[in-house]
Amino acid sequence: QVQLVESGGGVVHPGRSLRLSCAASGFTFTSYPVNWVRQSPGKGLEWVAVISYDGSQMFYADSVKGRFTISRDNSNHMVYLQMNSLRAEDTAVYYCARGRTPHDSATPFDYWGQGSLVTVSS
Amino acid sequence: EIVLTQSPATLSLSPGEGATLSCRASQNIRTYLAWYQQKPGRAPRLLIYDASKRATGIPARFSGSGSGTDFTLTISNLESEDFAFYYCQQRDDWPPNFTFGPGTKVDIK
Repeated sequence: QVQLVESGGGVVHPGRSLRLSCAASGFTFTSYPVNWVRQSPGKGLEWVAVISYDGSQMFYADSVKGRFTISRDNSNHMVYLQMNSLRAEDTAVYYCARGRTPHDSATPFDYWGQGSLVTVSS
Repeated sequence: EIVLTQSPATLSLSPGEGATLSCRASQNIRTYLAWYQQKPGRAPRLLIYDASKRATGIPARFSGSGSGTDFTLTISNLESEDFAFYYCQQRDDWPPNFTFGPGTKVDIK
């Protein structure tokens, strides 16, 4: 069955960096785009970034553009989110989520991981 | 930037009743709308995509309708597991960009 498992969350000081990982299994990983979506405590959902099935294209929300970088390793079925210059407002649970249509990055998210909490605090 | 508005913020209903949730877009998004269900401490679950298509494994009591700027999620005959938060989401055709609505909470009356 399709599984996405995030790791790498934790507490970090403002201005510092953190890298999240998403391990995928149970589907043809090399055919699907993968997204990161975050949810601040008690708040709604915010899309963060998407990477195309082959890793050639990446797109970002304006709120993270220039600070976050999404990447993938198709050999090991992994997706990463490198987060630099972290701010208090980046505090959230971060989910990785698969785009439902193969080879199409602009598609809703049909499978989600359990989430990884990132807390930015001094 | 497209803004999504959901109403009502909270819907208090009893099991067996029907629920009608609304999502309005600030501009025409054709049928590029999805609905998600989220329970506390859990990841969201895709219910509906392209405004009216049920995702894999979603019961028939969930249905979506609408196009352009006005969309509706209807849940018929509410079951206990349906009490949750519901979010709508729009997607730009290209480049990819996604926006979520603020959510509607469906709770037990």
